[in-house]
Amino acid sequence: GESVGLHLPTLSVQEGDNSIINCAYSNSASDYFIWYKQESGKGPQFIIDIRSNMDKRQGQRVTVLLNKTVKHLSLQIAATQPGDSAVYFCAERPGGATNKLIFGTGTLLAVQP
Amino acid sequence: DADVTQTPRNRITKTGKRIMLECSQTKGHDRMYWYRQDPGLGLRLIYYSFDVKDINKGEISDGYSVSRQAQAKFSLSLESAIPNQTALYFCATSGPREGQPQHFGDGTRLSIL
Repeated sequence: GESVGLHLPTLSVQEGDNSIINCAYSNSASDYFIWYKQESGKGPQFIIDIRSNMDKRQGQRVTVLLNKTVKHLSLQIAATQPGDSAVYFCAERPGGATNKLIFGTGTLLAVQP
Repeated sequence: DADVTQTPRNRITKTGKRIMLECSQTKGHDRMYWYRQDPGLGLRLIYYSFDVKDINKGEISDGYSVSRQAQAKFSLSLESAIPNQTALYFCATSGPREGQPQHFGDGTRLSIL
């Protein structure tokens, strides 16, 4: 959204290229991670998740990679399309007996036709 | 996510007014959450509820209150609105187990003059 996108890092890619969006998370004890997509005027939309006992998970045109050594998460989007233009952010679950999440601030993906 | 409906979608009001934001869901989830989103910041948790009799404060609950009227309904109130509560507000739901994604409504844009 127009207000969500302010002050965010921006990744600009050509249509058809692959996109890689990165996220550094904060808590080494986090055991579950999610990527969300947020389009203008909409709420965050679940894309893909991964648990800490995995280092890679694939979905339809998306792949999430988890590097626990450096606390880094990435989202790869294959053959990026104009409809992929949105803000993308990661979330981590620090663990414990709740499903509370910590959300990143996001990256604006701009797909050029 | 059309399964999580927020009303109103937009609201402009004056300082000192009482405001209620409503959230209803058809996902059958027990867990519901209220977040606010500000430019340049990640989503921040205001309150959450794991069932009708359970209400918990999040990281920024001051100035807010909630009511869980039924499994499907979770409302957020601002008892006396102030301008720094101007933000996007999102409701979310999740399933019963840890490590499940949260699903969001499309938000309420609240402006307090």
